[in-house]
Amino acid sequence: AAGVIQSPRHLIKEKRETATLKCYPIPRHDTVYWYQQGPGQDPQFLISFYEKMQSDKGSIPDRFSAQQFSDYHSELNMSSLELGDSALYFCASSFRGDREDEQYFGPGTRLTVT
Amino acid sequence: KQEVTQIPAALSVPEGENLVLNCSFTDSAIYNLQWFRQDPGKGLTSLLLIQSSQREQTSGRLNASLDKSSGRSTLYIAASQPGDSATYLCAVSSGYALNFGKGTSLLVTP
Repeated sequence: AAGVIQSPRHLIKEKRETATLKCYPIPRHDTVYWYQQGPGQDPQFLISFYEKMQSDKGSIPDRFSAQQFSDYHSELNMSSLELGDSALYFCASSFRGDREDEQYFGPGTRLTVT
Repeated sequence: KQEVTQIPAALSVPEGENLVLNCSFTDSAIYNLQWFRQDPGKGLTSLLLIQSSQREQTSGRLNASLDKSSGRSTLYIAASQPGDSATYLCAVSSGYALNFGKGTSLLVTP
């Protein structure tokens, strides 16, 4: 079965640079979520989109922005990168029409800021 | 804000033992609860999802229970194996975003 695809899998950037992370949800899923997991931390919710509209907002810094496109893929744009942004970034998708509304996670993008 | 707590933070058991991981949450108005497994530096593997109207779910050697009124869930692992060694995360959905606990790091020794 198709899973959530994230690219790139690894990314190394320098401070003050920008980064773009991409997420391709499972086909027919209409909702995308972004989470950030710092070293030794639990995943923290950043932002979500339902049918290409922002749905919920968590602890996403103002330096970050995200959107969901017409083909339902999503991109997380990160600017003025800081050392503290080094983390594993997960994308998850779900279909709200399903009774369970289970979230399926991608493999993550490991971002290292030097 | 929903707070999710997992106890214990770490657990070491010999192979073959049955074990219980605990998760508690502060707001009982949840939509569902998911248990995940995470290997070091890797992604999240969903183990079980319990809807708010359910009491338990089973998958193989795993059984998860939910007591919404008391804000508790347990993950029971039967006949543990060294391959079960990983961090187990409990996550609660009160709307759509998941709130995660800090996890229980499990080590099963041969």
